[in-house]
Amino acid sequence: EVQLVQSGSEVKKPGESLRISCQGSGYNFESYWIAWVRQRPGKGLELMGLFYPDDSETLHRPPFQGQVTFAGDKSINTAFLEWHNLQVTDSGIYFCASVSGTMEYFDFWGQGTLVTVSS
Amino acid sequence: SYDLTQAPSMSVAPGQTATIPCGGDNIATKSVHWYQQRPGQAPVLVLYEDSERPSGIPERFSGSKSVNTASLTITSVEAGDEADYYCQVWLPSDEVIFGGGTKLTVL
Repeated sequence: EVQLVQSGSEVKKPGESLRISCQGSGYNFESYWIAWVRQRPGKGLELMGLFYPDDSETLHRPPFQGQVTFAGDKSINTAFLEWHNLQVTDSGIYFCASVSGTMEYFDFWGQGTLVTVSS
Repeated sequence: SYDLTQAPSMSVAPGQTATIPCGGDNIATKSVHWYQQRPGQAPVLVLYEDSERPSGIPERFSGSKSVNTASLTITSVEAGDEADYYCQVWLPSDEVIFGGGTKLTVL
């Protein structure tokens, strides 16, 4: 059974750093892209970018370039999403998802990590 | 840029059929995928490549397309189908577009 398990909720202050994780199991984790998707409170889904575990290649969507870092450790089947200067507007739920082999859709999703940034 | 337009909400009585549209320019030429997001949960893929159902998705879920509209149809709607539904396409530039989502209420 394919599973993506994300780290727990976080509460941070503006300007702080944060790393959240997404651990995969039940499939060849390093061979499929991982997507990070943001969902602000009461809003829809936004793709932030992609991470390829095998060689750590990344693709950032323009609004997120320079704002977040995608990283991973394929030895533990884990991808990370990192911030170095959180803003209140970064509050939301962050999902990781595995990208289909055809690079067209997201076939399995993590349960989401709630990030709250507040002074 | 490319946009996908979804009605914010719709409602249907139990046992009836819900058809959720997703509008896009010439969407007939694109591969459309659909996700269900129940309240407080992660999205779940319910249709891929317009009309294919992943393992575990009931046959009550089906998809179709016309020139400018893709549709997700749910027959014999149940209370558990109450959720937000998102359509999605993946453009050649690696740009991924999600529709704004339709909140389906089961009366």
